Amino acid sequence: AQSVTQLDSHVSVSEGTPVLLRCNYSSSYSPSLFWYVQHPNKGLQLLLKYTSAATLVKGINGFEAEFKKSETSFHLTKPSAHMSDAAEYFCVVSEEYGNKLVFGAGTILRVKS
Amino acid sequence: DTAVSQTPKYLVTQMGNDKSIKCEQNLGHDTMYWYKQDSKKFLKIMFSYNNKELIINETVPNRFSPKSPDKAHLNLHINSLELGDSAVYFCASTGTDGYTFGSGTRLTVV
Repeated sequence: AQSVTQLDSHVSVSEGTPVLLRCNYSSSYSPSLFWYVQHPNKGLQLLLKYTSAATLVKGINGFEAEFKKSETSFHLTKPSAHMSDAAEYFCVVSEEYGNKLVFGAGTILRVKS
Repeated sequence: DTAVSQTPKYLVTQMGNDKSIKCEQNLGHDTMYWYKQDSKKFLKIMFSYNNKELIINETVPNRFSPKSPDKAHLNLHINSLELGDSAVYFCASTGTDGYTFGSGTRLTVV
């Protein structure tokens, strides 16, 4: 079965500094991987997705993620944090059949001014 | 607007009541889902329907009964509500462009 582990439950950065949210996955096949963001009391917004094309995936709002098969990682990065980035971020893997999404436990990103 | 729409957005009800949450998508997708986000923000799939047929049924109490009258609608009925049912319930649908989530229904059982 597929699973994802988000290595940090909370990450705190200063505005203008880089963001790194870590995610490791476990999958018996070549997975599809996603990052979703959820702002307080809001729904889920897709940031980016990897589906076996380029290993460096660019998403919205300046976020990127790199798929590293050898490390089974899919870390999310952004060069410069903005206050509006404060939210909870979910790393997600898709099962091979049935389109079922398996969510990580989430990482809360706090951005300090 | 093309979207996945859930109603109601907020629902507060007493223990023991029966309630329904409705979901509609106008994206032409064949597959729809219900996900539950608990108080710790953990998200997990509950059900999935493909063209009105149940294809995923996770270990959910049988007090929860999904109903899909057509492929554009997937409603969730919950009998005998319990405190532990308090959560945010997200509807979603998938097509060739991937997942689209609704904005969620925050259910509070008191």
